[in-house]
Amino acid sequence: DVKVTQSSRYLVKRTGEKVFLECVQDMDHENMFWYRQDPGLGLRLIYFSYDVKMKEKGDIPEGYSVSREKKERFSLILESASTNQTSMYLCACLGETLGRYEQYFGPGTRLTVT
Amino acid sequence: SQQGEEDPQALSIQEGENATMNCSYKTSINNLQWYRQNSGRGLVHLILIRSNEREKHSGRLRVTLDTSKKSSSLLITASRAADTASYFCATKIIQGAQKLVFGQGTRLTINP
Repeated sequence: DVKVTQSSRYLVKRTGEKVFLECVQDMDHENMFWYRQDPGLGLRLIYFSYDVKMKEKGDIPEGYSVSREKKERFSLILESASTNQTSMYLCACLGETLGRYEQYFGPGTRLTVT
Repeated sequence: SQQGEEDPQALSIQEGENATMNCSYKTSINNLQWYRQNSGRGLVHLILIRSNEREKHSGRLRVTLDTSKKSSSLLITASRAADTASYFCATKIIQGAQKLVFGQGTRLTINP
């Protein structure tokens, strides 16, 4: 089974705090993604990475940064959390399974910024 | 056919021409994404179009989505040699596991 794990299921932070969301996958997949999911807006891509130390901006990168030092780990960083970053954050990895590419998601981290 | 099938499987055009690739799918989707893969590299996310959108532009890329026909097209205008790659469409299905399902891809070759 593909395992995409995220460091926390629920997180509560104060405005201005630095927040780290960690994601680890055990499938040796090259591509990893961070999304946020908000009611009525669906899944929105924040950042993605297709190789170690590589990163690409997604649709809404403002206020976020990422780190990919190792293939299995992709971290999302909120340098100074704000209330509009309260959301469900989903990490995903992408790789080839039985000849087809599929993307697998982690369980999500519900972040509340007060 | 399976979810996310690209057409044609291979396309060869001259530099400067426009390249059009099509994707068909079977089940209802949340969104459809196009990726590029250069030889020996990983997949690179190009563009995402949501099920309530009909057209989207990004630089030289134009994507259309017709949910009534369950199809999408990717147009690359003014092609360049660097556009030579395989292009995949991927659909995020509404039901079932949270995953994207990719097609087999279109191999695009741009001739100088």
